[in-house]
Amino acid sequence: DQQVKQNSPSLSVQEGRISILNCDYTNSMFDYFLWYKKYPAEGPTFLISISSIKDKNEDGRFTVFLNKSAKHLSLHIVPSQPGDSAVYFCAASAFQNDMRFGAGTRLTVKP
Amino acid sequence: DAGVTQSPTHLIKTRGQQVTLRCSPKSGHDTVSWYQQALGQGPQFIFQYYEEEERQRGNFPDRFSGHQFPNYSSELNVNALLLGDSALYLCASSLIKTYNSPLHFGNGTRLTVT
Repeated sequence: DQQVKQNSPSLSVQEGRISILNCDYTNSMFDYFLWYKKYPAEGPTFLISISSIKDKNEDGRFTVFLNKSAKHLSLHIVPSQPGDSAVYFCAASAFQNDMRFGAGTRLTVKP
Repeated sequence: DAGVTQSPTHLIKTRGQQVTLRCSPKSGHDTVSWYQQALGQGPQFIFQYYEEEERQRGNFPDRFSGHQFPNYSSELNVNALLLGDSALYLCASSLIKTYNSPLHFGNGTRLTVT
């Protein structure tokens, strides 16, 4: 059962513009949501997280938005940089149980 | 501050063989989780170890087993390998008393079954 879904396998944006990556989930018990970034030949690296009691969390160029009623979260990267090119995974967990991951979105930022 | 380390980096095995993968958690972490990432997919949860016990388990057959040692390091064992077991195996560590904290991943072991 795929409880976390990333429906866009890839996204291409111009350097300096905004990148918006989307994620949908089905389990209403999820209370913790994260975004990870993965470069080739490396493990996923934690980027930013949000708990279910918030609807927005910001860290520098990265902002995560959570819409609980729509069971949707998004990651905004502003401004996008070529070094942001990677695969981005959305993840979620319920009560500190096993973390579920989406299939990933490959972001390409063009100079 | 050493992060999560995994060994070996790459491994090639024949169908039917057994394999053992190893993981050392990030310094200060006490919980180890194992994930399988097939090509084009996200990481799939295998199991989690805490205090040398399997705390949670995902939807994987009994051919997948694990162990955690007193120093918090962990092993993943896979018996009777199938071609479909070819994947990147990721180890992640965390501190269980810190509610809702991110997992820290190693760089993975790439297993190829021929």
